[in-house]
Amino acid sequence: QKEVEQDPGPLSVPEGAIVSLNCTYSNSAFQYFMWYRQYSRKGPELLMYTYSSGNKEDGRFTAQVDKSSKYISLFIRDSQPSDSATYLCAMSRTGANNLFFGTGTRLTVIP
Amino acid sequence: DTAVSQTPKYLVTQMGNDKSIKCEQNLGHDTMYWYKQDSKKFLKIMFSYNNKELIINETVPNRFSPKSPDKAHLNLHINSLELGDSAVYFCASSQDLRGYTFGSGTRLTVV
Repeated sequence: QKEVEQDPGPLSVPEGAIVSLNCTYSNSAFQYFMWYRQYSRKGPELLMYTYSSGNKEDGRFTAQVDKSSKYISLFIRDSQPSDSATYLCAMSRTGANNLFFGTGTRLTVIP
Repeated sequence: DTAVSQTPKYLVTQMGNDKSIKCEQNLGHDTMYWYKQDSKKFLKIMFSYNNKELIINETVPNRFSPKSPDKAHLNLHINSLELGDSAVYFCASSQDLRGYTFGSGTRLTVV
């Protein structure tokens, strides 16, 4: 069993929809939680970074972490065709500098 | 201007060959990494170097050998290539978890 589980999708939504992406994890030592966006044939780029539990908002993006449930979410409001990409959750623990990734969810926003 | 650059972008080679992938970062980061992304988009760490010193060596066949001549460069040499080595290999660098920067990947196809 992988340490981080993520529904691979694919997920197709109409433009303007609210998108919810989720990951679960098994290692309670994880304290740092990230969401990366990866466009086709490109490297992952950091979208959101959260430490421990709570919410963080950045423009149309909101990241939520629930450590008691070992569950993290990324919400995208007013989704745009340019949001079409693969979204990967990643996490790490204190003292480590390597990331544990989910398998990624492929999102398509239809105009 | 590219922060993390890796060459080549594409590599097609026959089974049994030896090949190298090069990576350079101009961000001044102390830590560099090699990640492997399989056909299902799962990203997994292979190696990590901090200031030219190997600090992470995951369960990777010893046909894979990283080399860091200085902290701005981390190369990956692969001996006796096998079909299962086909994947996208990403180089990354970071100063901390928030500052992870990935290269655009090397797509390796072994035929």
